[in-house]
Amino acid sequence: QVQLQESGPGLVKPSETLSLTCTVSGGSISSYYWSWIRQPPGKGLEWIGYIYYSGSTNYNPSLKSRVTISVDTSKNQFSLKLSSVTAADTAVYYCARGVRGVEGGYYYYYMDVWGKGTTVTVSS
Amino acid sequence: QSVLTQPPSASGTPGQRVTISCSGSSSNIGSNTVNWYQQLPGTAPKLLIYSNNQRPSGVPDRFSGSKSGTSASLAISGLQSEDEADYYCAAWDDSLNVHVFGTGTKVTVL
Repeated sequence: QVQLQESGPGLVKPSETLSLTCTVSGGSISSYYWSWIRQPPGKGLEWIGYIYYSGSTNYNPSLKSRVTISVDTSKNQFSLKLSSVTAADTAVYYCARGVRGVEGGYYYYYMDVWGKGTTVTVSS
Repeated sequence: QSVLTQPPSASGTPGQRVTISCSGSSSNIGSNTVNWYQQLPGTAPKLLIYSNNQRPSGVPDRFSGSKSGTSASLAISGLQSEDEADYYCAAWDDSLNVHVFGTGTKVTVL
C-alpha cells in the first residue's frame, strides 16, 4: 500500500524559501501526478500544483511565481520550494498522489493517497 | 480563491440522510468531473468520491455523489457519529487552469 510522508523545517523566516520533501513508499513514483496542497489554520484547502513523474509541472497561478516542484525518481521523492514566504504561507502542507485523465469528454483529476501533513510556520 | 460554493454547515441525527451541495460554473463542474474529500478532525483529507459518483475501495456505500450541470451533491445516508467531519468538493477549472476546492461543509451529528 502506497504511503506518503512529508518532511522539512517546521519554522521558516519571512522572505526565505520553504522547502519540503515527500517520500513515497510502498509503490513506484512512476505514472502519477504528484501534488502539493496546503491548508492555513482554520481555513480550507488550496491546491499548490503537481509534477508528473517525467518532470512536467502545473502550478496554481496564484503561486506560480514563487513555486517550484521537482521529482527525484531514484529516491522516490518529490519536493516543494516556495520562495519569499510571508505569514500568509503558514499552513499545514500535504503531499498527495494525483490521478489524471480524460473519459467521455470530461477531464478528471483527483488525489487518492495523501500524506499526514506537516505544519509550517512563517515567523521571525 | 474558492470558486466552488458549499454551505458552511449541515447536520442530522444518527440514521438520517444529509445532503451537501457544491455550486460551480461552466468552467469547472460544467466541464470536468467532481471529487469529494472527507477531513476528520485533525487528520489529512481522504478521497471519498471521484469522477462524480465513484467510490474508492473501502468507502461505505452510504456515501454517494451526483452531478447535474454546474452543481454537484454529496449524500450521506444512515448518518453515523464517525461521519462528523469537514467535506470538500473539488474539480478542475479550465479558465483558471487550477484544481479548485469548495469552501467546505462541516457536518455535525446531533
